[in-house]
Amino acid sequence: EPEVTQTPSHQVTQMGQEVILRCVPISNHLYFYWYRQILGQKVEFLVSFYNNEISEKSEIFDDQFSVERPDGSNFTLKIRSTKLEDSAMYFCASSDGSGRPLNRNEQFFGPGTRLTVL
Amino acid sequence: AQSVTQLDSHVSVSEGTPVLLRCNYSSSYSPSLFWYVQHPNKGLQLLLKYTSAATLVKGINGFEAEFKKSETSFHLTKPSAHMSDAAEYFCVVRGGTGNQFYFGTGTSLTVIP
Repeated sequence: EPEVTQTPSHQVTQMGQEVILRCVPISNHLYFYWYRQILGQKVEFLVSFYNNEISEKSEIFDDQFSVERPDGSNFTLKIRSTKLEDSAMYFCASSDGSGRPLNRNEQFFGPGTRLTVL
Repeated sequence: AQSVTQLDSHVSVSEGTPVLLRCNYSSSYSPSLFWYVQHPNKGLQLLLKYTSAATLVKGINGFEAEFKKSETSFHLTKPSAHMSDAAEYFCVVRGGTGNQFYFGTGTSLTVIP
């Protein structure tokens, strides 16, 4: 069964460093998402991406964050200058465009990348 | 605005007894509602979804949920708990035209042998 994959499973970095979290969505999916979950808190939406551009973003997704689909398979989240409060589990998700209406489709989630900022 | 409230942070049941995980939603629109499960070190797996068809939704692994508009609830149930059901469960709502999901805080289910 196709699944969303994420690498690495755990990333440790120093405050102020740049990190790139990688995701491979399900191959025929068109919509891509990043969420994060700070320990003990809710899973929160960061950004959605469709047709090579951001379609929605939350207040959390400020200028230090960026997303990219550098090729036909990867979807990345870059954090330019990490802060202690960026420590969280980051989930990638994808959904297809076959349902009607489109926004009723389920999202398929990856296992997450645990980011620890020291 | 869309949101969900999961009324119990932890639920503990004995193996073979029924499971009830409670979720109330708030939505300005006709909502799409989902239940996801997360086992340790695994991704979020879809259990079931409600998208304005039948109000009683059947999912995987014997789980089901009933959409009750009058109560703004979408509780998850299973007649008989299995040890493998021990996990974290998330109620999720999406409404309106946006694609983003709004997660509840999660309910941790423990199954006692």
